Amino acid sequence: EDQVTQSPEALRLQEGESSSLNCSYTVSGLRGLFWYRQDPGKGPEFLFTLYSAGEEKEKERLKATLTKKESFLHITAPKPEDSATYLCAVQYGGSQGNLIFGKGTKLSVKP
Amino acid sequence: KAGVTQTPRYLIKTRGQQVTLSCSPISGHRSVSWYQQTPGQGLQFLFEYFSETQRNKGNFPGRFSGRQFSNSRSEMNVSTLELGDSALYLCASRSGLSTDTQYFGPGTRLTVL
Repeated sequence: EDQVTQSPEALRLQEGESSSLNCSYTVSGLRGLFWYRQDPGKGPEFLFTLYSAGEEKEKERLKATLTKKESFLHITAPKPEDSATYLCAVQYGGSQGNLIFGKGTKLSVKP
Repeated sequence: KAGVTQTPRYLIKTRGQQVTLSCSPISGHRSVSWYQQTPGQGLQFLFEYFSETQRNKGNFPGRFSGRQFSNSRSEMNVSTLELGDSALYLCASRSGLSTDTQYFGPGTRLTVL
């Protein structure tokens, strides 16, 4: 059973069309939820860490939020350079400090 | 500050061979973790080293092994390669605390023929 589920698998947006990516998790004892961005052929690039429900973090056009069961990555007025795969990962009591990743959401932003 | 570096970036091997991948963490980071990324399974944790000791291990066969040196550099070895070992192998470093953010290197693309 997947512990971290991301949806949708793929998302196509027009430039300027805001949307949200979802990451739901079923683990207990969450220690942290991490968002990464990965471009083709490259390693994941760190974006945000969220530790407790109600926490929000922003960076340029991105805003991450966390509830007790899921996290959202909101993208406001996206640009073509925001096209990438966005990965969500959790760290919890049973993971011994290591990251359990979702399968990612592949975002394409067309000009 | 220089990021995580991995060598080589690309590797082609044949079934039955063995391979060694190298990772240099961010300066000052003492923890190095290895992950395997495939289209079907996504990113999966292999193992973590801290101060030259394996701290955690994922659910992979014993053909996958690693080590860490006193300067925190780490190597990963895969013996008796199988076609299914073709993947992007990612190394990530963090300062040491289990709650610290992990920073990833560019990865080594391994192709097994």
